[in-house]
Amino acid sequence: DAGITQSPRHKVTETGTPVTLRCHQTENHRYMYWYRQDPGHGLRLIHYSYGVKDTDKGEVSDGYSVSRSKTEDFLLTLESATSSQTSVYFCAISVSGVNTEAFFGQGTRLTVV
Amino acid sequence: AQSVTQLGSHVSVSEGALVLLRCNYSSSVPPYLFWYVQYPNQGLQLLLKYTSAATLVKGINGFEAEFKKSETSFHLTKPSAHMSDAAEYFCAVTTTSYDKVIFGPGTSLSVIP
Repeated sequence: DAGITQSPRHKVTETGTPVTLRCHQTENHRYMYWYRQDPGHGLRLIHYSYGVKDTDKGEVSDGYSVSRSKTEDFLLTLESATSSQTSVYFCAISVSGVNTEAFFGQGTRLTVV
Repeated sequence: AQSVTQLGSHVSVSEGALVLLRCNYSSSVPPYLFWYVQYPNQGLQLLLKYTSAATLVKGINGFEAEFKKSETSFHLTKPSAHMSDAAEYFCAVTTTSYDKVIFGPGTSLSVIP
């Protein structure tokens, strides 16, 4: 299995609070991604990174920010959590760009109450 | 903008029967194409991918998919379903700018004994 660890695996938080999800990889892959999974929508890209301090927005980036200060860590922050951000969040990594396989973490189930 | 459709959010087949999961994309620019599988409470894993080599792609666990440019399709098949194939299947394609991957909404496959 690809060395990807997401933390926490489960979290319940209150509306309006900031939340940070962490993705840690041991593969030294250049590309890292954050997706959210919701029924009927598949996976939607929130943000991605193509190197340390190099990030870009995905399809559903509003209300989210990311940071990548080290190759191995990619943090996703919900600046002020809302109920619409209740979802399962997946981190993925790939060696190079979109033509290569993405390896996924186990997911983080976030509930905003 | 690129989009992906998967016909049938739920598909049921009998054990030993043919599995056919449909995927169509919208762009006239040939993309890279992927099928991923997700077992309950797990992340996604790659079944197979098309990256402009042979149009018939063989993947893991006996699955294969055929890229048909004229039909903008990339349907997934398996000759004989096994109980262990029960899972969620996602088709994914690259955007026309080849900088992101777009996932379809997924098809849940049930295998009836």
